[in-house]
Parts: sequence; C-alpha cells; structure tokens
Amino acid sequence: AQKVTQVQTEISVVEKEDVTLDCVYETRDTTYYLFWYKQPPSGELVFLIRRNSFDEQNEISGRYSWNFQKSTSSFNFTITASQVVDSAVYFCALSGSSNTGKLIFGQGTTLQVKP
Amino acid sequence: EAGVAQSPRYKIIEKRQSVAFWCNPISGHATLYWYQQILGQGPKLLIQFQNNGVVDDSQLPKDRFSAERLKGVDSTLKIQPAKLEDSAVYLCASSLTDQSHYEQYFGPGTRLTVT
Repeated sequence: AQKVTQVQTEISVVEKEDVTLDCVYETRDTTYYLFWYKQPPSGELVFLIRRNSFDEQNEISGRYSWNFQKSTSSFNFTITASQVVDSAVYFCALSGSSNTGKLIFGQGTTLQVKP
Repeated sequence: EAGVAQSPRYKIIEKRQSVAFWCNPISGHATLYWYQQILGQGPKLLIQFQNNGVVDDSQLPKDRFSAERLKGVDSTLKIQPAKLEDSAVYLCASSLTDQSHYEQYFGPGTRLTVT
C-alpha cells in the first residue's frame, strides 16, 4: 500500500521566518515520484515540484527548497523568508510505478503567514 | 495554453437529488482524473480515464456515482442520489499520459454542498 503522511496539520509563522513542511511516504515501488502542490484559498491546486526516486539531489527554486531523503522516506519542503502570499494549504503527493499515474495525497499542511 | 475547465464552480442540492459536473481537460491530454476532496483532507482519486477508457475506478461508489468521457475529451461526473457525505470539492485533472512522472494539471474544482 502507498501512503503519504504530512507531519504538521497547521503551521503559523510571522513574515520573514523560515518554515519547513514535513512529508513522510510509504511505498514498495522502487521507482516512484514525489510532488508538492500548493492550494491557495481560490482552491486550484498549483504544481510546485516533482522528484523521482533516483534523484536525491536537493533542489532550490527562489525561496523554495526541497530535501529528499530516501533513507528516511521523507520529502520536506522549506520556504525561506516567508511572505503573506505563501499562506495556503500545501500537499505532498506520491505516484508509484505500480500506479496508473494517480496521485496519493497527504492530508495537507495549512500554512498561515502573518504580517 | 488554456487550463483545465470545470463547471459549475458551486452547487447546492438537497440529499437524494442528482447533480452533474463537467470537465474539459487541456487540449491533447489523454489522461483525465476526477478527485474528491473532503474538507480538511487531501484529494482522493475517484476515477481515471485514458482517452475514453476507464483505467481505475476502484474508489468510485458505483451505486451512486457515474462518469463518462465519451469522445476522449471532456468528461462528466454524476451523483444520483446524493448523500450528505458527498459534500466536497470535486477536482478534475489532466495529464499527457498515465505515466506516473507526468505532471497533473488541476481545474478550479466544483464545490458541492448537500443539505
């Protein structure tokens, strides 16, 4: 069975603080893909990043960075110098090679960034 | 490029009534997904189409839910009769193919309230 667990349900920070959202996954597939999506109040899921199971290099995109550690089955997401516009629900998701492309989502982490 | 279109955006019905949602995927995308997102949870796959064929409907409550994608382009999801627990956001997504590494693009969703 495949499962995604997002450790934090809600996080509240003050603007300019760094914040890390934790994601732990379970899968028996040797080839799989991990995703992060952002869901702002408007409701549409916005793709942020995709990593495959063979690439454990960390990735940085502006204020966003991702740390993938296969040894601990974790795929954590850090926002540096958070901004009010980062307030949203963030979802970690998994798609394994035994799937047909469907995404298995975690329950989401609600991030509130206060001015 | 136009995104995934969904309508209506909001719908309120009474229990035991029927309702239908429509989705138009991104042009050229062979794979179409319907997800159900209950408040406070991550999206859960209901049904997946590859062109006009069903790939995965294992989590679709077939006694009341039905979906079709007759010409391999747009799709409709129907609930008949609706129950209170069907209150959720119904998200449509599309991707180029059903391979697990392809990004899924999500529509804005239809928020259903069953009273």
